[in-house]
Amino acid sequence: DIQMTQSPSSLSASVGDRVTIACRASQSLSSFLNWYQQKPGKAPKLLIYGASSLQSGVPSRFSGSGSGTDFTLTISSLQPEDFATYYCQQSYTTPGTFGQGTKVEIK
Amino acid sequence: EVQLVQSGAEVKKPGESLKISCKVSGYRFTSYWIGWVRQMPGKGLELMGIIYPGDSDTIYSPSFQGQVTISADKSISTAYLQWSSLEASDTAMYYCARRGSSSSGYYHMDVWGKGTTVTVSS
Repeated sequence: DIQMTQSPSSLSASVGDRVTIACRASQSLSSFLNWYQQKPGKAPKLLIYGASSLQSGVPSRFSGSGSGTDFTLTISSLQPEDFATYYCQQSYTTPGTFGQGTKVEIK
Repeated sequence: EVQLVQSGAEVKKPGESLKISCKVSGYRFTSYWIGWVRQMPGKGLELMGIIYPGDSDTIYSPSFQGQVTISADKSISTAYLQWSSLEASDTAMYYCARRGSSSSGYYHMDVWGKGTTVTVSS
């Protein structure tokens, strides 16, 4: 099984801040890495696929980068609606595995 | 519009069986994999397994192999997740999600159901 490790597990930030979340895989994924956002009581929502491709309808302040084992999700200017938990997921193997999540809270 | 509509909340006793469903519409059911994701209270997401309704090919995550059964009925465009004997530790929210793919061949869960809450308690 490929293990996915996110850091940090949580962070506090203010509206307008630039936020970066890291995801590391236990083996190389090429670019088979996705990012999801989940708000309380809601289903997850796909943000980024293929490490850096923005899902249709997702604001451009979200971006993804990386390849191999190290990946990053960046929110360029945090908005009130962005306070949520973010998960990375590897799709290099089927069915794939999620990271443990990063909760973004209001400072 | 692509939709995955999940069955309603369930409250069961330990040892009981259960089958929850995920009915899809808006696309060809047999052309996309459907996955099931568990989220225990206050915890993260876990991919349980995935099925290709076209030929019922099913792949389970090692942690869930033998613990649940994933199936699909092409005639009614519905995927299922079932337990033969529930335990208290099965208490969780369960999501179904479609696995889409990009032109570059990258897979991702692009459309999600709203989830089914399963509570197992004596």
